[in-house]
Amino acid sequence: LAKTTQPISMDSYEGQEVNITCSHNNIATNDYITWYQQFPSQGPRFIIQGYKTKVTNEVASLFIPADRKSSTLSLPRVSLSDTAVYYCLSGGYKLSFGAGTTVTVRA
Amino acid sequence: NAGVTQTPKFQVLKTGQSMTLQCAQDMNHEYMSWYRQDPGMGLRLIHYSVGAGITDQGEVPNGYNVSRSTTEDFPLRLLSAAPSQTSVYFCASSETGTSYGYTFGSGTRLTVV
Repeated sequence: LAKTTQPISMDSYEGQEVNITCSHNNIATNDYITWYQQFPSQGPRFIIQGYKTKVTNEVASLFIPADRKSSTLSLPRVSLSDTAVYYCLSGGYKLSFGAGTTVTVRA
Repeated sequence: NAGVTQTPKFQVLKTGQSMTLQCAQDMNHEYMSWYRQDPGMGLRLIHYSVGAGITDQGEVPNGYNVSRSTTEDFPLRLLSAAPSQTSVYFCASSETGTSYGYTFGSGTRLTVV
């Protein structure tokens, strides 16, 4: 299973930008980097996916450098409802979630 | 469109009992997986399937069995429940089998006493 490393927790305030960096040193050539979000008592929910450079959608941006050994999820102007666990994954159908990053947004 | 449906939502078992956690999806997805999530931890893969009639083991398969007789259903069987199997169980499905676009069920919270 593909392994990733990310910070255990991050704190922020409403309106700030939150950046979570994930390390995936052994990512395979064909693998995409994918981020999921999980709220308490719910299953994970897909946020964004990328292969290289930058991807942006209505929820977040994903920055991937040329060597693809890391990626950064950027959450713009967070609100209290963005408090959740964020998982960085790479690989195929055998997803490996790890402990994720617990993001706490305070008023 | 119901997505991924898991039943039951809550279950309490006695040590040694067996039971089946149900998972059904109505999206015609080929790929389905079972995960367990212990308190404060990430999800660990138990078993997965890449299509009807095809299953394989994940990270933590011991004590669990699966079968995939139809595309829609992927039940998880606990053979002889143990307190160490107390956890929240999530079923997921995907059309593509890549890390993109997995849809997760709402989970089954299992307590073994």
